[in-house]
Amino acid sequence: ILNVEQSPQSLHVQEGDSTNFTCSFPSSNFYALHWYRWETAKSPEALFVMTLNGDEKKKGRISATLNTKEGYSYLYIKGSQPEDSATYLCAFNAGNNRKLIWGLGTSLAVNP
Amino acid sequence: EAQVTQNPRYLITVTGKKLTVTCSQNMNHEYMSWYRQDPGLGLRQIYYSMNVEVTDKGDVPEGYKVSRKEKRNFPLILESPSPNQTSLYFCASSPHRMTGGFEQYFGPGTRLTVT
Repeated sequence: ILNVEQSPQSLHVQEGDSTNFTCSFPSSNFYALHWYRWETAKSPEALFVMTLNGDEKKKGRISATLNTKEGYSYLYIKGSQPEDSATYLCAFNAGNNRKLIWGLGTSLAVNP
Repeated sequence: EAQVTQNPRYLITVTGKKLTVTCSQNMNHEYMSWYRQDPGLGLRQIYYSMNVEVTDKGDVPEGYKVSRKEKRNFPLILESPSPNQTSLYFCASSPHRMTGGFEQYFGPGTRLTVT
């Protein structure tokens, strides 16, 4: 059974703090790792799709790294802002390319 | 505007009354999928489609049907809804039928309550 785990489950930080969280996935049959941002009352929006070991991607203050050999990805947010408050989901694709296996997410709350 | 639309956004219905939730995308995407979101369980895939007339079961297909007669539309059908199908439903699409390396675009969600 393929499993994707995210930690921590929830996180509270102050505005301006930098933070990071983890997505762990099976290290075999890796094809792609996705990160999505899901704000309350909205739908998930893609942040990154990562396919190469060692890959680093950045979008504004948010960046992500990927280690496929050990089966983890980190998402970093630099200088958190209240508008960063959301649930961050990761999803793993196991090489059959047909579907994603989703983690439960990390819920981030940024206090002004 | 490129988007995935779902209708209705909110629905309260009774056990056994057939319903359809529509999903449409205007991006010419090959891949479409239905998910349900329940507290503590994460997104679970119900059905997916890699192209017109091609559909496959996801992780939780029981009690649901889908069809893909046109590329842009992927309706979700509940023939006889039951209370355990009360959930938040998302439709999503992706540019390529092999969706793994491509981001998914989500609709706004449909909140379904079955009493």
